[in-house]
Amino acid sequence: AQKITQTQPGMFVQEKEAVTLDCTYDTSDQSYGLFWYKQPSSGEMIFLIYQGSYDEQNATEGRYSLNFQKARKSANLVISASQLGDSAMYFCAMREAPSTGANSKLTFGKGITLSVRP
Amino acid sequence: DAGVIQSPRHEVTEMGQEVTLRCKPISGHNSLFWYRQTMMRGLELLIYFNNNVPIDDSGMPEDRFSAKMPNASFSTLKIQPSEPRDSAVYFCASSYRGWGSGTEAFFGQGTRLTVV
Repeated sequence: AQKITQTQPGMFVQEKEAVTLDCTYDTSDQSYGLFWYKQPSSGEMIFLIYQGSYDEQNATEGRYSLNFQKARKSANLVISASQLGDSAMYFCAMREAPSTGANSKLTFGKGITLSVRP
Repeated sequence: DAGVIQSPRHEVTEMGQEVTLRCKPISGHNSLFWYRQTMMRGLELLIYFNNNVPIDDSGMPEDRFSAKMPNASFSTLKIQPSEPRDSAVYFCASSYRGWGSGTEAFFGQGTRLTVV
């Protein structure tokens, strides 16, 4: 079963506007972490933001914030004041709490392409 | 820290040849991941090590793929024999084990493999 779902095929946003990238996840664990990564056309994977399942407040990092709705199992990324350099592929990922077997792999969604228009 | 270091950055090889990809994780990290990225399949987890021990290799596509981590500072992913469908970007990433803040994975620059 797919753990991370990113269904938006491609997103467009006008420069300086805000944009929301959707992510839903599936887990039966109570303890888990959610991550967003950015992959520009140059190919590197850049960590953006983290949200823990027990965090009461939504995570924020500069222009990035995570709209965490635990009951709905969604962890949407909000980028405020979009810049041309935000054009990239964005991946949502989840890491469940390690069990006795120490299995805490990091699972990624298929990604969303964001294009920022000048 | 220099970050996660992968080598080579680019590899072009002929079908049937053995390919070895190398990774040096960030010092102090105890989890290491190998991912493969293609347009069709996205970012796939191939194998995951914790404290140098392979924990989950369910993503390894077939017996032609093998991975080792002989010590905390080095890992290899080997394909033998290579096939054109193995062409992809292979990423290595490392992190602290666990799920809390500070356990994000840091990625290497990737190895772009082309099998002709």
